[in-house]
Amino acid sequence: DTGVSQDPRHKITKRGQNVTFRCDPISEHNRLYWYRQTLGQGPEFLTYFQNEAQLEKSRLLSDRFSAERPKGSFSTLEIQRTEQGDSAMYLCATGVGTNTGELFFGEGSRLTVL
Amino acid sequence: AQSVSQHNHHVILSEAASLELGCNYSYGGTVNLFWYVQYPGQHLQLLLKYFSGDPLVKGIKGFEAEFIKSKFSFNLRKPSVQWSDTAEYFCAVTINAGNMLTFGGGTRLMVKP
Repeated sequence: DTGVSQDPRHKITKRGQNVTFRCDPISEHNRLYWYRQTLGQGPEFLTYFQNEAQLEKSRLLSDRFSAERPKGSFSTLEIQRTEQGDSAMYLCATGVGTNTGELFFGEGSRLTVL
Repeated sequence: AQSVSQHNHHVILSEAASLELGCNYSYGGTVNLFWYVQYPGQHLQLLLKYFSGDPLVKGIKGFEAEFIKSKFSFNLRKPSVQWSDTAEYFCAVTINAGNMLTFGGGTRLMVKP
């Protein structure tokens, strides 16, 4: 058990549908990140929250992608009008304090767009 | 923007062989360096990290890495691998203690018993 929980673990959807992923962080971790990982590649940074503030979102892949962390606890990542190219593993990671690269990752949510 | 290169995509070793996985980054300023590992079916986890000080850092399970600033490298080493080291290894960097961890493409290691 990593302490970072992601749901659902797998999602299969048809092109054009909207999907939402949820991440529940380790309780005392104020920093929360979303990454995307495609086959054979390393994780790719998407967005970052410190508490409820989204401090970096320029790397979200398009305006179809959005993320929220309304109360500074759990976070959601939504993809609207999914495309086949959105098929990937979506990873949530959290951290605490000033050691910004020390992250605790969840097991990921795998998206398949048909 | 910074980037991280891992030149070996797949490595196959026999148990007890020595391991060195290459990692190079492209940024001339202050960096923090990391190696993460993903065992089959498991989540990514931190293996070791370098922030400052002694450029030879030791991590869990007998791994170590050496930061060579002049070569922009942070290679991972282990003197004698075990079958249980079979995993994918990712090098990563943050710059200026920033909030974006940039990963390399990963090296998939298979250790034959």
